[in-house]
Amino acid sequence: EVQLVDSGGDLVQPGGSLRLSCAASGFTFSDYYMDWVRQAPGKGLEWVGRSRDKANSHTTEYAASVKGRFSISRDHSKNTVYLQMNGLKAEDTAVYYCARDQMGSYVMDVWGQGTTVTVSS
Amino acid sequence: DIQLTQSPSFLSASVADRVTITCRASQGISNYLVWFQQKPGEAPKLLIYAASTLQSGVPLRFSGSGSGTEFTLTISSLQPEDFATYYCQQINSFPLTFGGGTKVEIK
Repeated sequence: EVQLVDSGGDLVQPGGSLRLSCAASGFTFSDYYMDWVRQAPGKGLEWVGRSRDKANSHTTEYAASVKGRFSISRDHSKNTVYLQMNGLKAEDTAVYYCARDQMGSYVMDVWGQGTTVTVSS
Repeated sequence: DIQLTQSPSFLSASVADRVTITCRASQGISNYLVWFQQKPGEAPKLLIYAASTLQSGVPLRFSGSGSGTEFTLTISSLQPEDFATYYCQQINSFPLTFGGGTKVEIK
């Protein structure tokens, strides 16, 4: 079964750091693009960033709101993609989802269950 | 950045109603338009991609159309499990962007 499991969300102070994890199973992880999407409380969806597949050297793209503060990486031995978040702000408070991009169409076809990040003092 | 404007932002409908949601892009995006459904407390679910291609397993009462800057999602006969929030997303260019959402509630 294809599955993504998000974890690592927590309460963190402004300016702090946090690393989210997304554990993948049921598919060849390195062959797929992976995205992070977030949803602030009561708000809509916001794309955060993308990690391309192995064929594209796992290059990344980021939303302007997080560029320079967030970074996406992968650990192939653990079939896990990470979202490292530094310099956290109150406006980063959200549920964070990882998603797999369907091969060929690059649309988000499988999603994790989400993990909650709260930035507050 | 490409802005996506969904309308209406809220609609009240009855079971068996035909429902149409519109998504307008601030510039042409060809057919690089995706529709998701999200229920409270759940992750989004992919419904339609390439503006009109139904994702495997999605009921045939869902359909999508459009190209360029104007797109529609239609539910031909609303079912109880369809009450949810619907989002469009453009994948034409970075940053990927979503519409503001349309909440479909029971009349």
